[in-house]
Amino acid sequence: QTVVTQEPSLTVSPGGTVTLTCASSTGTVTSGYYPNWFQQKPGQAPRALIYSTTNKHSWTPARFSGSLLGGKAALTLSGVQPEDEAEYYCLLYYSGTWVFGGGTKLTVL
Amino acid sequence: EVQLVESGGGLVQPGGSLRLSCAASGLTFSTYWMSWVRQAPGKGLEWVANMNQDGSEKYYVDSVKGRFTISRDNAKNSLYLQMDSLRAEDTAVYYCATNWKSGFWGQGTLVTVSS
Repeated sequence: QTVVTQEPSLTVSPGGTVTLTCASSTGTVTSGYYPNWFQQKPGQAPRALIYSTTNKHSWTPARFSGSLLGGKAALTLSGVQPEDEAEYYCLLYYSGTWVFGGGTKLTVL
Repeated sequence: EVQLVESGGGLVQPGGSLRLSCAASGLTFSTYWMSWVRQAPGKGLEWVANMNQDGSEKYYVDSVKGRFTISRDNAKNSLYLQMDSLRAEDTAVYYCATNWKSGFWGQGTLVTVSS
């Protein structure tokens, strides 16, 4: 049973920078896991932010960036805005199947 | 404008069946891998199944293998999820989504499995 682990919660001040991470129980996360990141606000469908580690969608704000960091996938928000308060999910690829992380609740305070 | 509209959700008894549909518009549906993702009430996202453009490749999460079947009709721009032998733990909002590179999601349809 593959498990993808994210920080359950993080808090950041407006204008600050925060990094969310995504770890795999199988070991180091590489580009071959095609990490994706999604944002979900209460009562809404998820919104795609990042695909294949670093790539942004046309609607992804410039302050969001994806990377690999210390054996994990990472999502960094620079210059956090109040509207960034949300749940964030990562998604990793495992030989045909995909596994979501448990999500990180980001509070902007 | 790309739109994915799920339908077919509702209340079903344990052991029952339900067929979800996802109608796609604003994109060349036949060129996209498609997925189903679900979210139980108050819980996180769970990838359920996906299939390639012509249906020759299908993958499922272990918990639904043998019970759920993903399919598509490219002529109707539609994706389906046939759900049999439903259990209480299948209760969730079910979303359809395009391949992750494209990043489009529907608004979801609620499936409730309860007696």
